[in-house]
Parts: sequence; C-alpha cells; structure tokens
Amino acid sequence: EVQLLESGGGLVQPGGSLRLSCAASGFTIRGYAMTWVRQAPGKGLEWVSTITATDGRAYYADSVKGRFTISRDNSKNTLYLQMNSLTADDTAVFYCAKDARPWRHGDYFNDWGQGTLVTVSS
Amino acid sequence: EIVLTQSPATLSLSPGERATLSCRASQSVGDYLTWYQQRPGQAPRVLIYDASYRATGIPDRFSGSGSGTDFTLTISSLEPEDFAVYYCQQRSNWPPYTFGQGTKLELK
Repeated sequence: EVQLLESGGGLVQPGGSLRLSCAASGFTIRGYAMTWVRQAPGKGLEWVSTITATDGRAYYADSVKGRFTISRDNSKNTLYLQMNSLTADDTAVFYCAKDARPWRHGDYFNDWGQGTLVTVSS
Repeated sequence: EIVLTQSPATLSLSPGERATLSCRASQSVGDYLTWYQQRPGQAPRVLIYDASYRATGIPDRFSGSGSGTDFTLTISSLEPEDFAVYYCQQRSNWPPYTFGQGTKLELK
C-alpha cells in the first residue's frame, strides 16, 4: 500500500526557513515524479514544485522560484522541500503527491499525503 | 499559463439528485484533464483522469467527459459522502500544473 507522510510543518517567522519531508512507503520514489501542492486556509490547490523521475530535474511555480528547493533522498525514500525567505503568503497546508505512473512526468497525481501545515507569522 | 475556470462555484443539491460540474480551459488541454475530490479536512483524491477514465476504486456514478477546452464531471445520483469540493487540473502544458478554483457541492 502506498503511503506518503509529510512532516516538518509548524510556525515560523517571516523571513525564516523550514524544511518539509515526505516519507514514502509502498513504492520507490526514484521511479516516480514527485510533487508538492499547497492549499492556503480556505483556498484552492496550488502547484508548488515537481521533481522528475528520469533525470531529477526540478520545476517551480513562479511564486516560490528562487526561495524553495525540492529534492529527494532515494536511500531514505523521502522527498523534501526546503523553504527559505518565507512570507505570510506561504501559509498553507503542504501536500506531497505521487505521479500515477512510473518513469514519466506530466502525469496526474494518484496518491497524496495528509499534508503538513506551515504557518508564517510573527 | 493555462487558466481553468470551474462553474458553478457552489452547487446545492439533495441526495439522489444528479450533479453536473463544469471546467473550462483558457486554451486546449486535449484530454489531459483530471478531476479531484476533497472532503473537509482530507487530502484530495483523484476521481477521473484523462478527462473520462475513472481512477481505481471510484464508483461508476462518477463520470467525466469533454476534450479541448470544455469538460464536465457528472455524478449521476448523489450519495451523502459526495458533498465535498471538486477541482479540475490540467497536465497538458506544464509547468505550471494548474487547478481550477473549485466547485463546492453542498447539501440543499
């Protein structure tokens, strides 16, 4: 059974940093593109970042480019999101999600974690 | 960036009724349109992918149709657990992946 477990969220001051983790089980993340999606309180879903399976290339939303870094540790089967220079607009639940099919990118997301809440406030 | 516009924003229906949700894209996305359901306090889950294919374990009362710029999610007979928010998402032209703003299906 596929499971995705996010952690690392919490309260951080504006300008601060946080690293989110997504521990995967039931599959090997090396073979799948992995994505972070966020949802501000009471708002819709926003794509944040994707790392591809084939070459580990990273893609970012304009709203986070230059501040966030997606990465993965295949040996730990874990996905990460390093977030720097955080602002109040980054307050959201962050979900990690897995592509439906291996060794491709641009696929739909068929498995999601339960999310971790990031609150940016002084 | 492809913009997805969902309508209506809110749909008030009763159990047993038929629900029709719309998603319109600002340019063609072919068949690369996905529908997700999000219940309160839960993560999204995929219902329909590639416009019309039901994901594993999704009841057949859910169906998707459309191609190009106009798409529809239909729930043939609403069950109590279907009252939730529904999002469409395109994967035709990314980055970025884009989502619609959501349709809230509420109990009348």
